[in-house]
Amino acid sequence: DQQVKQNSPSLSVQEGRISILNCDYTNSMFDYFLWYKKYPAEGPTFLISISSIKDKNEDGRFTVFLNKSAKHLSLHIVPSQPGDSAVYFCAASADQAGTALIFGKGTTLSVSS
Amino acid sequence: DSGVTQTPKHLITATGQRVTLRCSPRSGDLSVYWYQQSLDQGLQFLIQYYNGEERAKGNILERFSAQQFPDLHSELNLSSLELGDSALYFCASSAEAQYNYGYTFGSGTRLTVV
Repeated sequence: DQQVKQNSPSLSVQEGRISILNCDYTNSMFDYFLWYKKYPAEGPTFLISISSIKDKNEDGRFTVFLNKSAKHLSLHIVPSQPGDSAVYFCAASADQAGTALIFGKGTTLSVSS
Repeated sequence: DSGVTQTPKHLITATGQRVTLRCSPRSGDLSVYWYQQSLDQGLQFLIQYYNGEERAKGNILERFSAQQFPDLHSELNLSSLELGDSALYFCASSAEAQYNYGYTFGSGTRLTVV
């Protein structure tokens, strides 16, 4: 049973346009959400996060939006750059002992110049 | 360099064999997490150790085991290997026992079972 779902395996956008990556979750106990970026032959690297008490967090070109009622979050990248081409993982956590970050399957973003 | 070191980077072995993957956490981090990334699968949480003790357990098979040593490095042991165990195995670390605000990942070990 997947608790964190990224239903789009891939996304292609042109340089300069907006990239929107989506993520849905099922566990209402999740209270912290993160996005990781992964390049080939490298480990995932932390990109941006959001607490459940917020609905938006911005860091430069990256903004994460959280809709708790819909159990949905999205990552917006504006403007998209070719160097943003990577696999993006959505992750969630609950403040419970014995739990760890739960990841989605990832979305491969391709930004063309 | 994330500071999390995983060895070896690549491993090819036959079915039925046993392998050991090694992870050194970032300096000062006491927690180590193991994740598996199979084809078309996300990062599946296997197990967490904190300061030598098992802290959390995920979808880890009985054929797999792990431990964390006094110097805080961790080893993931995979035995009776099957073709389906071929995957990328990532280690991550964090400073605290319950720190779900983000881990630092190593670059992974790619295991191929033939």
